Amino acid sequence: SAVISQKPSRDICQRGTSLTIQCQVDSQVTMMFWYRQQPGQSLTLIATANQGSEATYESGFVIDKFPISRPNLTFSTLTVSNMSPEDSSIYLCSAPGLGSFTYNEQFFGPGTRLTVL
Amino acid sequence: DAKTTQPNSMESNEEEPVHLPCNHSTISGTDYIHWYRQLPSQGPEYVIHGLTSNVNNRMASLAIAEDRKSSTLILHRATLRDAAVYYCILPLAGGTSYGKLTFGQGTILTVHP
Repeated sequence: SAVISQKPSRDICQRGTSLTIQCQVDSQVTMMFWYRQQPGQSLTLIATANQGSEATYESGFVIDKFPISRPNLTFSTLTVSNMSPEDSSIYLCSAPGLGSFTYNEQFFGPGTRLTVL
Repeated sequence: DAKTTQPNSMESNEEEPVHLPCNHSTISGTDYIHWYRQLPSQGPEYVIHGLTSNVNNRMASLAIAEDRKSSTLILHRATLRDAAVYYCILPLAGGTSYGKLTFGQGTILTVHP
């Protein structure tokens, strides 16, 4: 299994500002993922963060709005830039557990609850 | 990911079994069937997965239809802690899709004391 922590757990921000969310995994993983969960909705994949390469973004998400860093095999950050109230969501990171190359078992962080005023 | 269909909500009483259905009629021969659940105010957690045969683990059982077009997650004795949103997912395997999960709306399970 993998234990994933996120910081901050929640934040309230003003529109136009940026927030960087940190995700720490307790083991080395090749791939990490960032999801968004809008109020009352299911999770939507934002991007895949691979160590040593540029993040790969899903349709509807762009690097200028959600820049991602992946400096090593246990850590990643997601920045929500130039925020608007529509960015109010829970942001979650995930990573596959050890030995899950076949089964795609994923472990998730607790999420960062962002409110933009 | 292949499309899955789940009921929006289900209810159960504590200590009774719960059968959560999932239809996946477009499943391919190599698609695994995964179940995750999301407890209130938490990130999703993996529950179980299977390919063809029924599977059991400490959390639940997964019954897979012989034609694989449907599956059922079975909680043998529901507890209040099992109240969550349950997601049935058929992740794409390998290549650039590895690890990506497409979450539908899932089934909201309510457990009554």
